[in-house]
Amino acid sequence: EDKVVQSPLSLVVHEGDTVTLNCSYEVTNFRSLLWYKQEKKAPTFLFMLTSSGIEKKSGRLSSILDKKELFSILNITATQTGDSAIYLCAFPGNTPLVFGKGTRLSVIA
Amino acid sequence: EPEVTQTPSHQVTQMGQEVILRCVPISNHLYFYWYRQILGQKVEFLVSFYNNEISEKSEIFDDQFSVERPDGSNFTLKIRSTKLEDSAMYFCASSTTGGEYNEQFFGPGTRLTVL
Repeated sequence: EDKVVQSPLSLVVHEGDTVTLNCSYEVTNFRSLLWYKQEKKAPTFLFMLTSSGIEKKSGRLSSILDKKELFSILNITATQTGDSAIYLCAFPGNTPLVFGKGTRLSVIA
Repeated sequence: EPEVTQTPSHQVTQMGQEVILRCVPISNHLYFYWYRQILGQKVEFLVSFYNNEISEKSEIFDDQFSVERPDGSNFTLKIRSTKLEDSAMYFCASSTTGGEYNEQFFGPGTRLTVL
């Protein structure tokens, strides 16, 4: 059975801090890893990672995948209160996504 | 920017009633999905749909559930004889392709409350 473990489960930081969120996995037939941000409602897509060691970047967010050690990290620098959300990593099966439980990030002013 | 829409945003129903949740996927997408998220738990896959038929379904998607694409735009999830444990957020998603490189776009969700 595929396993996805995200850590920490919950994190509270002050605005301006940098955070690193982890997603480790044991997934058969790994193809890609996706990061989503879930605020009050639907998950919104952040990154898709398919290759080890290649950093994906979008503004203050960046992510990298290590296919040898089976994990990915999501970094957020200079956090803002708007970054408060649950961050999910997910893996495509044949078509559906298998989600981790997420990391709940709270950024306080 | 095109987006997935869902109606209603919140539905309250009595146990045993049937509900239909509606979704309008992004217009050029071919693959459609339903997920659910029970409060405080992770997002779980229910079913995927392609070419007017179910392509994959999870153990959760039993005979109580059905999906339909009644016309060219809507994609519906029907839950028959609702139970208390069906209370959850139900998300619809769509993608242009299936398989391992598909980016799925999620709708805002329908919160279903079964009393």
